[in-house]
Amino acid sequence: QVQLVQSGAEVKKPGASVKVSCKVSGYTLTELSIHWVRQTPGKGLEWMGGFDPEDDGETLYAQKFQGRVTMTEDTSTDTTYIDLSSLKSEDTAVYYCTTAGFDYWGQGTLVTVSS
Amino acid sequence: SSDLTQDPAVSVALGQTVRITCQGDSLRTYYASWCRQKPGQAPVLVLFGKNKRPSGIPDRFSGTTSGDTASLTITGAQAEDEADYYCTSRDSSGNHHVVFGGGTKLTVL
Repeated sequence: QVQLVQSGAEVKKPGASVKVSCKVSGYTLTELSIHWVRQTPGKGLEWMGGFDPEDDGETLYAQKFQGRVTMTEDTSTDTTYIDLSSLKSEDTAVYYCTTAGFDYWGQGTLVTVSS
Repeated sequence: SSDLTQDPAVSVALGQTVRITCQGDSLRTYYASWCRQKPGQAPVLVLFGKNKRPSGIPDRFSGTTSGDTASLTITGAQAEDEADYYCTSRDSSGNHHVVFGGGTKLTVL
């Protein structure tokens, strides 16, 4: 059984960066492809990017976030990270890590961007 | 905007059958998956591939695809099925990117 446990809530000022972690258990990170999805208040789900083994093992990023988002992995701790820079108030959202098939989800991390 | 289009809201009487649809060009090539999300909770996968249900999802959930439209059908809707439902698939550009529909709020009357 896969479990994804995310880091806690963050409050950031506009222009800052945030790094959210997602620790995998039940499987190793090398056995999974992790994606990130966010949900702004009262809105729907929005795919941000993820590791795609079908695409030469590259990490795919949604065009909307290109240049601002970086997803990294630490296989020694089975932890994956999303780093979002140049934060704006519109980035206030709950950020989820999920497996590529969307069959397992983290609990979500609320990131609040406010001056 | 989204490459996958869903009706914003649908309602169903308790015990009746409801269909939630998702339309997009990429569905001619890729299967849709469906996630259910209740307020304050993370999404839960309820359907994927060609009408496959993850363990623990009741068989009243089923799915079909016709042309560019995928459908999630709940046969005998229960009060606990009231939630937001999102379809997801690859986008239509062929770059392996993922897209979500805008979501459908299901109300069980």
